[in-house]
Amino acid sequence: DIQMTQSPSTLSASVGDRVTITCRASQSIITWLAWYQQKPGKAPKLLIYKASSLESGVPSRFSGSGSGTEFTLTISSLQPDDFATYYCQQYNTYSTFGQGTKVEIK
Amino acid sequence: EVQLVQSGAEVKKPGESLKLSCKGSGYSFTNYWIGWVRQMPGKGLEWMGIIYPGDSDTRYSPSFQGQVTISADKSLSTAYLQWSSLTASDTAMYYCARGLGVATKFDLWGQGTLVTVSS
Repeated sequence: DIQMTQSPSTLSASVGDRVTITCRASQSIITWLAWYQQKPGKAPKLLIYKASSLESGVPSRFSGSGSGTEFTLTISSLQPDDFATYYCQQYNTYSTFGQGTKVEIK
Repeated sequence: EVQLVQSGAEVKKPGESLKLSCKGSGYSFTNYWIGWVRQMPGKGLEWMGIIYPGDSDTRYSPSFQGQVTISADKSLSTAYLQWSSLTASDTAMYYCARGLGVATKFDLWGQGTLVTVSS
């Protein structure tokens, strides 16, 4: 199994902050990585796929980068609607999710 | 509207069987894979397995192989997740989601089904 490790587990930030979340894979997944946002009681929502492609309808303040084993999700200017939990997902070999990063209000 | 609609919440006793459903609409159901994802209370997302309704090709995570059965009825545009004997550790939210391959991102999710197993 490919293991996915996200950091940090929790992130405290203010509206307007630039936020970066990291995801590391236990082996190369090339760029087969997606990022999701999940709010309490809701299904996850796809934000980024193939490491850096923005899903249709997702605000441009979200961006992704990386390849191989190291990836980042960046929110350029945190908005009130962005306080949520974020998950990375590898889909190089079947699929595995990271453990999640909760973005909370500072 | 393109959507996946899952069956309603369930409360079951240990040892009971259960079958959850996930109905697709607004798109060609047999052109996409349907995956199942578990989320235990307060925890993260776990990929359980995936099925291609077109020919019922099914793959499982090693962690869930033998514990659940994934199936589909393409005539009903519905995928299923079932257990033959539930345990308390099956208590979780279960999501179905749509993708384009065995290894896939999920661009469309169901609303989730909460399963509670308690004596």
